[in-house]
Amino acid sequence: QKEVEQNSGPLSVPEGAIASLNCTYSDRGSQSFFWYRQYSGKSPELIMSIYSNGDKEDGRFTAQLNKASQYVSLLIRDSQPSDSATYLCAVNRGSNYQLIWGAGTKLIIKP
Amino acid sequence: DAGVTQSPTHLIKTRGQHVTLRCSPISGHKSVSWYQQVLGQGPQFIFQYYEKEERGRGNFPDRFSARQFPNYSSELNVNALLLGDSALYLCASSLSAGLNSPLHFGNGTRLTVT
Repeated sequence: QKEVEQNSGPLSVPEGAIASLNCTYSDRGSQSFFWYRQYSGKSPELIMSIYSNGDKEDGRFTAQLNKASQYVSLLIRDSQPSDSATYLCAVNRGSNYQLIWGAGTKLIIKP
Repeated sequence: DAGVTQSPTHLIKTRGQHVTLRCSPISGHKSVSWYQQVLGQGPQFIFQYYEKEERGRGNFPDRFSARQFPNYSSELNVNALLLGDSALYLCASSLSAGLNSPLHFGNGTRLTVT
């Protein structure tokens, strides 16, 4: 079992709809959770961070964390073609200073 | 404010050679981390430095080394290059080495080993 798992996709969503991206993690001691967006050939860009159970909203983005079920999700409302990218979930286990990353979900927003 | 800057952007090396990659963090950031990203995978942690001291090391061979300078810039060195070292090398800076300190990435160095 991988430490951080994501569906590789591609996930195809019509423009204007809600895109839902999911991530599960194996270490119950994990404390910090991050969503990054990565365009092809570019470096990851931080979208959201979440540290406690519940929802956190920032513009069109909402991160959801459920530590009991060990999953974190990202919702993108009113999806735009510019949202087409690979979305990476990263988890800090707390045992050292490294982030553990999923392989990413490729999101395609269809006009 | 300038973001994280990395140099060079692209590099082609031959097996057995060594390479030095450079990184300047965002002004005020004291922590620098290095990651390796192979196509189709998430980044893999190599090193983290904070206040010029190594705070963490990933599962990479001793051919990989790094250091952080007094101005918080950093170098990643890789010796005896192998074909499998071909990847995007990412440098990220953060305000602190703490668990809740988000990483901000540079544009990366694309290393190709032939």
